[in-house]
Amino acid sequence: QVQLVQSGAEVKKPGASVKVSCRASGNAFINYYVTWVRQAPGQGLEWMGWISANTGDTSYAQKLQGRLTMTTDTSTNTAYMELRSLRSDDTAVYYCARASSLTGDLDYWGQGTLVTVSS
Amino acid sequence: DMQMTQSPSSLSASVGDRVTITCRASVNINSCLNWYQQKPGKAPKLLIYAASRLQSGVPSRFSASGSGTDFTLTITSLQPEDFATYYCQQSCGRPRPFGQGTKVEIK
Repeated sequence: QVQLVQSGAEVKKPGASVKVSCRASGNAFINYYVTWVRQAPGQGLEWMGWISANTGDTSYAQKLQGRLTMTTDTSTNTAYMELRSLRSDDTAVYYCARASSLTGDLDYWGQGTLVTVSS
Repeated sequence: DMQMTQSPSSLSASVGDRVTITCRASVNINSCLNWYQQKPGKAPKLLIYAASRLQSGVPSRFSASGSGTDFTLTITSLQPEDFATYYCQQSCGRPRPFGQGTKVEIK
């Protein structure tokens, strides 16, 4: 059974950076993409981007370009999402999910990490 | 930037009702469309992939159809556990946006 376990909640000040981790059981990321999705309080799902666990190729949402970096560590089956220059509207639950390279469906999700940006 | 538009944004229905949610893409996305169900405080759950393929373990009362720009998700006989928010998502290429969601509430 595939499990994605994310790091714990974070509280950050405006202008700071946050790095969220997503650890997969076994080799769950091999031949898949890791997608990051966020959800602001009371709002819908926002696609942030993905990274190929095999090649390191990335695709980021245009609005986050320049502030967002996704990486993977295949030796520990862990994916990372770093968001810089945080603003109050970055307050959200951040999810990682595994995406099929063929159909793009997000079949397994992490439990979510709440990131709060507040002065 | 491509967009996914769902309708309605919310609906009220009773147990046993047939419910249909639509999703429209701003460009032709062929069959690159997934549907997810999300309950409060939980991660989304994959229901349908490739526009019409039922994910393993999902009840057969869920079905979906469509291609190109227009898609539908149907729940044939709404059950108490189906009250949730449903999202469509474009699943090929770059970017892969979600629709804004449809909240299914108890009438």
